[in-house]
Amino acid sequence: AQSVTQLGSHVSVSEGALVLLRCNYSSSVPPYLFWYVQYPNQGLQLLLKYTTGATLVKGINGFEAEFKKSETSFHLTKPSAHMSDAAEYFCAVRRYGGATNKLIFGTGTLLAVQP
Amino acid sequence: DAGVIQSPRHEVTEMGQEVTLRCKPISGHDYLFWYRQTMMRGLELLIYFNNNVPIDDSGMPEDRFSAKMPNASFSTLKIQPSEPRDSAVYFCASSLLWDRNTEAFFGQGTRLTVV
Repeated sequence: AQSVTQLGSHVSVSEGALVLLRCNYSSSVPPYLFWYVQYPNQGLQLLLKYTTGATLVKGINGFEAEFKKSETSFHLTKPSAHMSDAAEYFCAVRRYGGATNKLIFGTGTLLAVQP
Repeated sequence: DAGVIQSPRHEVTEMGQEVTLRCKPISGHDYLFWYRQTMMRGLELLIYFNNNVPIDDSGMPEDRFSAKMPNASFSTLKIQPSEPRDSAVYFCASSLLWDRNTEAFFGQGTRLTVV
């Protein structure tokens, strides 16, 4: 069954530095992958998604992610961190097949941005 | 659009009491999801509906949990009797379609504390 693994439950970067949040997936069928962000005391908001086509996906707030089949990865990046990027980030994969159709979330990565 | 609306935002109740969480999906969305978020288990899908009909309730933890969707604009998640281990943030989400490349839109959540 499809699943995702997020490496690093906490990541800290300096303002202006590169943000790299890691996500690896497991899937025997073409994966459908998502990144969501959760700000404190808020719900989840979609950052970007990969379905088919271009492997470099651009999302909101300057984030992007690259689908690499050879590495089974879908890492999230942003060239320059801003204080407002401090939040928790979740990678997710669609689990589908037969009667199953679910969005399965990773355990999340809490991003801290230092001034 | 007001987005997915959940109420209450916070709920504190005593063990053994009945708790009802409410959700209004985005107008026109025909899929509705209930998720639970805890530190230990992350984000778990409890149940989801399509056109007001429960499709998959395999994530509902126990018979103490029940969910209904009496019409397209309203859903409830009820816990009776509540227990301290039910303390979590409960999210409602909705989606126009539930295809492989569509995402769910989340409400701001209800933080439930059972004492």
